Amino acid sequence: EDQVTQSPEALRLQEGESSSLNCSYTVSGLRGLFWYRQDPGKGPEFLFTLYSAGEEKEKERLKATLTKKESFLHITAPKPEDSATYLCAVQGGDNFNKFYFGSGTKLNVKP
Amino acid sequence: ETGVTQSPTHLIKTRGQQVTLRCSSQSGHNTVSWYQQALGQGPQFIFQYYREEENGRGNFPPRFSGLQFPNYSSELNVNALELDDSALYLCASSSPGAGANVLTFGAGSRLTVL
Repeated sequence: EDQVTQSPEALRLQEGESSSLNCSYTVSGLRGLFWYRQDPGKGPEFLFTLYSAGEEKEKERLKATLTKKESFLHITAPKPEDSATYLCAVQGGDNFNKFYFGSGTKLNVKP
Repeated sequence: ETGVTQSPTHLIKTRGQQVTLRCSSQSGHNTVSWYQQALGQGPQFIFQYYREEENGRGNFPPRFSGLQFPNYSSELNVNALELDDSALYLCASSSPGAGANVLTFGAGSRLTVL
């Protein structure tokens, strides 16, 4: 079954305390793996696309990496404004127009 | 460059009623996808429209239907509403290419079914 699993469900960090979020997937025929950020009451906002194992992308305090069956979103020295839900999505499977989303990791960064 | 806009932002319906949600895609995007996001869950793919034709569908019953118009805007219609249809409905636009496609999302329409 094509699915995406994210862990942990929730993560509470102190400002400056680095950590990683995990996304594992069983979707076949990967066309791309996406990370989105979602703030309360808003739609997801695009962060990164990764296409193949070994690829890395960085943006400010965020760095996304991809292996054959999982991706990590590393957050270095987070700030309170990084608090949000981070969603992982995979494009692939039997319907290449379909994106499979995980349930997200809700990140709370305390000052 | 305008983003994706959705309307209405919030609405309340009763079980058995019908609802229409609207979406204007981002300038330059010709593909629209609809997603359902239940509270605390990730978005679930409903369907995608390209050139006014349905171009892929998720595991949703036929009472979920859609339209895409020549200007690439779109509607999502849900008939015979059920309590479980309460969710945030997200519209996303994109430009298809040979590889992966970045989805640009609207802020969503929050539907409550009583």
